Amino acid sequence: ETGVTQSPTHLIKTRGQQVTLRCSSQSGHNTVSWYQQALGQGPQFIFQYYREEENGRGNFPPRFSGLQFPNYSSELNVNALELDDSALYLCASSQDYPDTDTQYFGPGTRLTVL
Amino acid sequence: AQSVSQHNHHVILSEAASLELGCNYSYGGTVNLFWYVQYPGQHLQLLLKYFSGDPLVKGIKGFEAEFIKSKFSFNLRKPSVQWSDTAEYFCAVNAPTTDSWGKLQFGAGTQVVVTP
Repeated sequence: ETGVTQSPTHLIKTRGQQVTLRCSSQSGHNTVSWYQQALGQGPQFIFQYYREEENGRGNFPPRFSGLQFPNYSSELNVNALELDDSALYLCASSQDYPDTDTQYFGPGTRLTVL
Repeated sequence: AQSVSQHNHHVILSEAASLELGCNYSYGGTVNLFWYVQYPGQHLQLLLKYFSGDPLVKGIKGFEAEFIKSKFSFNLRKPSVQWSDTAEYFCAVNAPTTDSWGKLQFGAGTQVVVTP
């Protein structure tokens, strides 16, 4: 176990709805990265938060947004859900530079959009 | 843009056989390289990583990987697999520039099945 927790475990939504996923970082980690893992594919980087500020973004539209809180926990929000948003959403925490690349993953939230 | 290619999508082998999984990346500069494993029903776990130094890296559970810069490769090996090595294996790469720390690029994964 990495100490990174995510909630909920599973979620079912319908197209057009909004969803919030939550992540609690490993103790001592101040950086959180979010990834989307579609079925049969590797994780794809969505964005990263460092000390409550967005610190880089992958190729995802603005309807994917996030927050990081003072305790370094984080949320991923997705608006106007589309069928293709169905995936496993992974949160990973890491320490400050130069250890940012060594990431510890949570178990993920499985989102199904109907 | 970086890309990561894993050669095999599925590998089936018997216990005690040797395992080698290929990973190639496309980026000409300095890279940080990783292998992650995802056991059935579990989260992604870091097997090993290479940042610099000895290109032969040893990880957990008897795995090792070799970085060959001239071939842009970072292949994972294990001399003798066990049934418990059944899992999906992901190669990941990052070019550690100032605006890319922590933004890992993953391959599509290789599903490994070890039969008794």
